[in-house]
Formats: sequence, C-alpha cells, structure tokens
Amino acid sequence: AQSVTQPDIHITVSEGASLELRCNYSYGATPYLFWYVQSPGQGLQLLLKYFSGDTLVQGIKGFEAEFKRSQSSFNLRKPSVHWSDAAEYFCAWGYGNQGGKLIFGQGTELSVKP
Amino acid sequence: DSGVTQTPKHLITATGQRVTLRCSPRSGDLSVYWYQQSLDQGLQFLIQYYNGEERAKGNILERFSAQQFPDLHSELNLSSLELGDSALYFCASSVSTGVDTQYFGPGTRLTVL
Repeated sequence: AQSVTQPDIHITVSEGASLELRCNYSYGATPYLFWYVQSPGQGLQLLLKYFSGDTLVQGIKGFEAEFKRSQSSFNLRKPSVHWSDAAEYFCAWGYGNQGGKLIFGQGTELSVKP
Repeated sequence: DSGVTQTPKHLITATGQRVTLRCSPRSGDLSVYWYQQSLDQGLQFLIQYYNGEERAKGNILERFSAQQFPDLHSELNLSSLELGDSALYFCASSVSTGVDTQYFGPGTRLTVL
C-alpha cells in the first residue's frame, strides 16, 4: 500500500540552527509531494509542493525541499530556524489516478530552543 | 486565512448521536475533501467531492456520509457516534479534481462522551 513515512516524531533545534525534516514515500511512480505545517489549534498551511521539474523547490517562510527519486525522499530544510517555526510538519503524497486524495505522514513535531 | 470555512468549531455530543459538520470551500474551488485527524490514526483521507459528485473515497466508515450541494458547500454526517470518533475533522478545497494544492479549513473538533 502507498505510504508516507516521517521517521522523526519529535525534533528539537536551537533557534538559528539549521533544520532538516525527513520524508520517505513508498510508490514507484513519480508522486506529487507536499509539505504542510500545522500550528496548535490551526488548520494545515501549505509550505511547498513538488509536481515535476526542478527537484529543489522553494516554499514560504524560507523553507525548501529536495525530491530524490533514488531515495524516495522529499526532505524539508531550512537554513536558520526561528522560534515561530515551532509547529507540526506533515509530508503528504498524492497520485493522479486516485482523484485528489492525499496520504499524509504521521507528522514531525518541531520544538525550538531559545 | 485559507478561505475555507468550517462550522461548528467545536462539537460535544454523546455516543449514539448524529452530527453534521459543514464546510464552505474557497471561492472558485470545485473540489471538497474531508479528513479526520486523531492521535492514533493521524491524518486520514475520508472522501472527496468534485462539483457535486463523489470523486474518491478513503477509509470512511459506513456510519459516515457526505454530500456536496449545488452551491458547492459540503456536509459530513456522522451517525451512531462512538467514543473513537472523537477527532479533529478537516475540510479542504482545491480547484481541480486531480492532485492539486488543497487549502484547509480550521477544523471541527468533535468530542463524543
């Protein structure tokens, strides 16, 4: 079955440090990939997406992600984390023959130390 | 603000009851999606409607049903509620029927006592 794995349930980084959140998907064909962020008590906000083309995609709030087909990965990065980045991050996968259905990973909770 | 509205924000009810959650998509979006977020299951896709027609179905229980009306708003009906149905229910919308950016509403938190 198709799945999305986020290996890290919780990550803590210091403010100003770099960040990488991992995401792996399990399907052979090129997927549509997304990263969403959820702040406490809020809905999900799209950070960035990959459909095709350049494998390094830029998003909002200084985030970027790189699609690596050979590793079935779509890791999210930020060079310098701000305290306001503390939230839960979800990687999601979509495949065109199943409507718009997205499969989400379990999420990674990010804490930021001052 | 995503432009997707959901009502009510919170709902507390008893086991065995029936509730209706409502969603209004962003202006111009034809697809509406419902997701359930719980601690043990995470974010699970329930169902998608596109312009009034069911487009894709996920792990939606038979006790749950949804519809999309001509004005494109959608309702998710949950019946014979069980304790395990307590969760955050999100509605999302997008322009097209296929994979596309989905804009999420703030969610309805359902508590079944």
